[in-house]
Amino acid sequence: ETGVTQTPRHLVMGMTNKKSLKCEQHLGHNAMYWYKQSAKKPLELMFVYSLEERVENNSVPSRFSPECPNSSHLFLHLHTLQPEDSALYLCASSQASGYEQYFGPGTRLTVT
Amino acid sequence: QKEVEQNSGPLSVPEGAIASLNCTYSDRGSQSFFWYRQYSGKSPELIMSIYSNGDKEDGRFTAQLNKASQYVSLLIRDSQPSDSATYLCAVNRDDKIIFGKGTRLHILP
Repeated sequence: ETGVTQTPRHLVMGMTNKKSLKCEQHLGHNAMYWYKQSAKKPLELMFVYSLEERVENNSVPSRFSPECPNSSHLFLHLHTLQPEDSALYLCASSQASGYEQYFGPGTRLTVT
Repeated sequence: QKEVEQNSGPLSVPEGAIASLNCTYSDRGSQSFFWYRQYSGKSPELIMSIYSNGDKEDGRFTAQLNKASQYVSLLIRDSQPSDSATYLCAVNRDDKIIFGKGTRLHILP
């Protein structure tokens, strides 16, 4: 595996389900990010981790819960989502905060 | 003033012509500038980075930076239909990367 990988690529979940998105970077980077991109809308930064410590949380609802167990892995735990949470969820990593970011392919999430 | 501003487009350019994409930023202290390409339904892909005033060329792409005017641009020479995408400008501010909302580029066959 190279670059940034994300699983699953597609996810359909009901409003009462609990699921997790996984991101793994193979670049030796120290910072990782979660973004949300709704249809035809700009990127919205959700969370930033630097050296496994959360450094930014952009007023994201508590139904989204990030976890960064080590510098290579990042999770986004989802519970009791709303239909408006349907979007493309993108993970990115960078050498350090403020450096160029490399994106994974994204998870297309549909909440029914 | 928005931190990173781009015209949302769409910008329509005939095939074979030069496409010119522009971006302005508000923080004079920014030192790093990036251009990403994003195809519909796909993730952003880094295509150019530029750090000093002037031009930087990579194949058909040229990034231009003017820190005094707080302006960065991307030129695409010999535009191809495969260049049709949304182009995101990104600028560092402190320890963050701030993305613009993107310009949709449509290359007309």
